[in-house]
Amino acid sequence: EAGVAQSPRYKIIEKRQSVAFWCNPISGHATLYWYQQILGQGPKLLIQFQNNGVVDDSQLPKDRFSAERLKGVDSTLKIQPAKLEDSAVYLCASSLVASGGPWETQYFGPGTRLLVL
Amino acid sequence: AQSVAQPEDQVNVAEGNPLTVKCTYSVSGNPYLFWYVQYPNRGLQFLLKYITGDNLVKGSYGFEAEFNKSQTSFHLKKPSALVSDSALYFCAVRPYSGNTPLVFGKGTRLSVIA
Repeated sequence: EAGVAQSPRYKIIEKRQSVAFWCNPISGHATLYWYQQILGQGPKLLIQFQNNGVVDDSQLPKDRFSAERLKGVDSTLKIQPAKLEDSAVYLCASSLVASGGPWETQYFGPGTRLLVL
Repeated sequence: AQSVAQPEDQVNVAEGNPLTVKCTYSVSGNPYLFWYVQYPNRGLQFLLKYITGDNLVKGSYGFEAEFNKSQTSFHLKKPSALVSDSALYFCAVRPYSGNTPLVFGKGTRLSVIA
């Protein structure tokens, strides 16, 4: 079974530029998550989708971050404009059950490492 | 709000010795508890989880963890460490009820020395 796919793996941009990350979850997984992992910290949830609807985006900085999940499969996360503090690894995860229950195991992709200069 | 504490930034153990990576949590009500491992330049890989039932949970690669409700702990253990176990380990918690997100600890770096 193929895992969660993410691209690009690495991205270097200058502050105030825009950037987009792509995620393809495990086939059949209804729930998709985007996390931000700053160096030396654990991942922090940015947004959770169930199918193509947003369940939780309370920790997404909406003035600069946006995310969408068209057709309930692939998802993109965008940052515009980027700030220095956005330098982090952006992880995508998916879980099987549509309800996104708290007991469900989340499976993570390899992440996109972003450096903002 | 729920939280996870991993009190050790780094754990060093000799190959073949038992290892323990500590985790304590704070959550309203009963918890779901998870352990993940992260190898360099890779995403998090699921090891095991506690949902309910037996307090001793067995997972991948010979790892196990014991849920202790009175001490609010969920320590990760392995009887005999391998050099290949060297990685970053994360404990995470979600409460039974509500749709609150999975909250991770800051991670513990395990180094197994040959």
